[in-house]
Amino acid sequence: KNEVEQSPQNLTAQEGEFITINCSYSVGISALHWLQQHPGGGIVSLFMLSSGKKKHGRLIATINIQEKHSSLHITASHPRDSAVYICAPYSGAGSYQLTFGKGTKLSVIP
Amino acid sequence: DTGVSQDPRHKITKRGQNVTFRCDPISEHNRLYWYRQTLGQGPEFLTYFQNEAQLEKSRLLSDRFSAERPKGSFSTLEIQRTEQGDSAMYLCASSLSGGVPLYNEQFFGPGTRLTVL
Repeated sequence: KNEVEQSPQNLTAQEGEFITINCSYSVGISALHWLQQHPGGGIVSLFMLSSGKKKHGRLIATINIQEKHSSLHITASHPRDSAVYICAPYSGAGSYQLTFGKGTKLSVIP
Repeated sequence: DTGVSQDPRHKITKRGQNVTFRCDPISEHNRLYWYRQTLGQGPEFLTYFQNEAQLEKSRLLSDRFSAERPKGSFSTLEIQRTEQGDSAMYLCASSLSGGVPLYNEQFFGPGTRLTVL
């Protein structure tokens, strides 16, 4: 089973700040999800990536499969970005389950 | 709305009762996944289907839990003789399938929150 570690566990930022959330995992994977979960439980898939970098609006995700590390960046953070961000590697080697990190709770203060 | 839907959104039950949850995936998705999330924790995998076949089950899925996807479309998750430890958010997700990992991006439903009294 993959071990997934996220850092930081909690993050408070001022509106407008650049934010980075890191994810490290212990075994080989083929791809990785970044997910966003708002209070009340709904989970939204932000990115699924297997190499390099993806950008969607103010969100940027990078992954280095060899170093077993991924980062999620938020530029010009806004209070509506306040949520829990979860990293979920996907092994793909005959198993299609995701293994989830415990999440990073982000609070963006106006 | 063409996203993943789950019903009910909330369920309160007494210990020992049986409960059943339903998940309707995105219509063209042939894979369907069930996860459980307890308070303050990340989700944990329970089981997944490809079409009507249940291909993988977690050890978390005790014999009180059963999942079906009879026609390869919607799925049900039943918990028999509920216990207080079953209180959690039950999440469903669906995806396409394919050799390229990015085909397998999972899309999540809103979840069913179960409270066992």
